[in-house]
Amino acid sequence: QKEVEQNSGPLSVPEGAIASLNCTYSDRGSQSFFWYRQYSGKSPELIMSIYSNGDKEDGRFTAQLNKASQYVSLLIRDSQPSDSATYLCAVITSGTYKYIFGTGTRLKVLA
Amino acid sequence: GAGVSQSPRYKVAKRGQDVALRCDPISGHVSLFWYQQALGQGPEFLTYFQNEAQLDKSGLPSDRFFAERPEGSVSTLKIQRTQQEDSAVYLCASSISTETQYFGPGTRLLVL
Repeated sequence: QKEVEQNSGPLSVPEGAIASLNCTYSDRGSQSFFWYRQYSGKSPELIMSIYSNGDKEDGRFTAQLNKASQYVSLLIRDSQPSDSATYLCAVITSGTYKYIFGTGTRLKVLA
Repeated sequence: GAGVSQSPRYKVAKRGQDVALRCDPISGHVSLFWYQQALGQGPEFLTYFQNEAQLDKSGLPSDRFFAERPEGSVSTLKIQRTQQEDSAVYLCASSISTETQYFGPGTRLLVL
């Protein structure tokens, strides 16, 4: 079992819809969770971080964390074609400082 | 403000050649990380520096890989006797502590 798992996609949603991206992790002691967006040929850019159970909203983005289920998700409201990218989930596992990344989910927003 | 910079952006090397990849972190960032990203995969951790101290090099795939950060700022990742399986994007990230990391543009290495 990989430490951080994501569905590789592609996930296709129509413009204006809500895109839901999911990530599960294996280390129950993990404390810090991050979502990065990566356009093709570019480096990852931070969207959001989340540390506590519940929802955290920033503009069109909402991160959700459920430590009991070892699950973190990212919702993108009013999806735009410019949101088409690969979304990487990163986790800092207990006792370390390095990111463990999932393989990323490719999102396609159809105009 | 200035972000993380890396050079070169692209490098083509012949198998067996040595290469050096440079990373300039954000000014004042204590922590510096190197990752390797293969096509279609998420980045994989290589090594971590806190100031000039290399605290973790557990992700370096072989003894052909070597990293340094002698003055606690600029870092160099060196790969000796490159092999085709070393072809990847090498990402550098810096952080003011050990939490949120900011990535540079990466160096795309192709070994022929």
